[in-house]
Amino acid sequence: NAGVTQTPKFQVLKTGQSMTLQCAQDMNHNSMYWYRQDPGMGLRLIYYSASEGTTDKGEVPNGYNVSRLNKREFSLRLESAAPSQTSVYFCASSETGGGLTEAFFGQGTRLTVV
Amino acid sequence: DAKTTQPNSMESNEEEPVHLPCNHSTISGTDYIHWYRQLPSQGPEYVIHGLTSNVNNRMASLAIAEDRKSSTLILHRATLRDAAVYYCILAGANSKLTFGKGITLSVRP
Repeated sequence: NAGVTQTPKFQVLKTGQSMTLQCAQDMNHNSMYWYRQDPGMGLRLIYYSASEGTTDKGEVPNGYNVSRLNKREFSLRLESAAPSQTSVYFCASSETGGGLTEAFFGQGTRLTVV
Repeated sequence: DAKTTQPNSMESNEEEPVHLPCNHSTISGTDYIHWYRQLPSQGPEYVIHGLTSNVNNRMASLAIAEDRKSSTLILHRATLRDAAVYYCILAGANSKLTFGKGITLSVRP
């Protein structure tokens, strides 16, 4: 099993450009999450989806949109990238939300906005 | 959301046990205690979680205080590969995983 797969692994954007970060999981999980991690910091939740068709804001949603395309896929879109969005982005999934089950993380997308 | 408090860093020697503490004095009765670790340049990796009783798995043990206001992650024999940032997280049944800064574990050969 691949687990949680994120694409791309690296990306450089110019300020104002848009892009979509893709995430797919093959574990039939209901809940999916997007986090960002700035240097030397812990992860901060951007958006999460408790189940297919639902999304909710996390701690730092401004400047981002998400789509839970189906049960497998959860994408994160930057409409107009800013240098402050330079970060490593992690997607995660879990069978259920919250603390009941463990979460599985992808390897991250390293995004630089110049 | 209830918060956790961890030391910034800890050092250990290879092949010795490591006890990583976590304080969570405002924990609620339905909060699970989760531990994740993050190796350099990788995504976080689940280690263990529990609610009230101590838990063991192939990676580690989780010791939970009787009043649940603190817990300890125990690595029985540290290896160089265990050098990572370890996050102690509280999560209710329907809440999201919220990460703090974690504790950086260094392992000396």
